Amino acid sequence: QSVLTQPPSVSGAPGQRVTISCTGSSSNTGAGYDVHWYQQFPGRAPKLLIYSNSNRPSGVPDRFSGSKSGTSASLAISGLQAEDEADYYCQSYDRSLSGSVFGGGTKLTVL
Amino acid sequence: QVKLQESGPGRMKASETLSLTCSVSGGSISSHYCYWIRQPAGKGLEWIGRIYTGGSPTYNPSLKSRVTMSIDTSKSQFSLRLTSVTAADSAVYYCAIISTGYYLDGINIWGQGTMVTVSS
Repeated sequence: QSVLTQPPSVSGAPGQRVTISCTGSSSNTGAGYDVHWYQQFPGRAPKLLIYSNSNRPSGVPDRFSGSKSGTSASLAISGLQAEDEADYYCQSYDRSLSGSVFGGGTKLTVL
Repeated sequence: QVKLQESGPGRMKASETLSLTCSVSGGSISSHYCYWIRQPAGKGLEWIGRIYTGGSPTYNPSLKSRVTMSIDTSKSQFSLRLTSVTAADSAVYYCAIISTGYYLDGINIWGQGTMVTVSS
């Protein structure tokens, strides 16, 4: 049971827009801590995709965007491409644990 | 460009102590928050702990009684020690850092990961 809740899977056709939700609680996302998103391909290390709710590191396409409101955050991927098929994880800080917490991950399938 | 490389035993037996080292190249380890994160096969990411040069490490409460992290700036390395391992500790172990110097930022540099398998 992960501290942050994500849907196990989402899917979409090429060109479509999909969103992945991430819901926490009053000790993490609801306490105002930022949410970060990671993309992970099979057999590879996670890669920072969105930081501090809505910022993209250099090199990340603007098709990826993030937002946060209250205890929930969302990752949106527009203009879906086959190469976007991967696992996506959200992460935040939890003041009760004094450490990082992750969502359980969402597998994105491009139909 | 800072790069990370984990090294470890690969396979081990239950009740043994796991020791992993993360070697940092291409930059100084100072002023970075250093993390250990693991991922059991087919499962999600689990934060193990973080350490900062000159500071006390912080551990996941679920592992705190068995974990020790250390940092050696002279060797540009940081390490993880996990005692009394069981099969539940089998996972890919990642070392990672936040290079911005702020522990609430996203974890922006990751090692490739090293698989650890614990057998009985």
